[in-house]
Amino acid sequence: GQQLNQSPQSMFIQEGEDVSMNCTSSSIFNTWLWYKQDPGEGPVLLIALYKAGELTSNGRLTAQFGITRKDSFLNISASIPSDVGIYFCAGQPPDSWGKLQFGAGTQVVVTP
Amino acid sequence: EAGVTQFPSHSVIEKGQTVTLRCDPISGHDNLYWYRRVMGKEIKFLLHFVKESKQDESGMPNNRFLAERTGGTYSTLKVQPAELEDSGVYFCASSQDLGTQYFGPGTRLLVL
Repeated sequence: GQQLNQSPQSMFIQEGEDVSMNCTSSSIFNTWLWYKQDPGEGPVLLIALYKAGELTSNGRLTAQFGITRKDSFLNISASIPSDVGIYFCAGQPPDSWGKLQFGAGTQVVVTP
Repeated sequence: EAGVTQFPSHSVIEKGQTVTLRCDPISGHDNLYWYRRVMGKEIKFLLHFVKESKQDESGMPNNRFLAERTGGTYSTLKVQPAELEDSGVYFCASSQDLGTQYFGPGTRLLVL
């Protein structure tokens, strides 16, 4: 099966700093998604990417679908305390009928 | 509109016991998915229902896991008998067509 590697595993940053994380896959995906999970909650969709090369923003978040279709990154600018949580990338392989494949997550901790 | 709900939120059982998890999807969503996250690892796909039919159950670990969705509304996931390695967070998600998947808060299962 496809391997989806997400890095870094964790990040400790100061409020106001920018955050960057990425995911790479051994095979292509048709869709890349970025989710955030708060403690005690389920993952919530932040950004969805549907075309190779696509760059999409959602407030302070920016994500890109890599041109090779095998990678994606997420940037968070000017971090604030509520950015704390686990960020997951997820990909939808060709012919997957909705099945998502997730990375292991990036734990983000923001200190004042 | 209510989101995806899951019950129970937490369950602690002994090895060899049976546990049944329930998921109520968003009303009108034909697609229902079960995923599992073992501590520190990626969220892994278990199976996908379209209405009451199993579209894809390729992620089910073994025959100790049984998922049902009678009537095409709520779904149950039964683990019998539970083993230590079944511990983790079980997420349910639902979607309209094959669009955005909305996740429930998860059931945290601990097998002792």
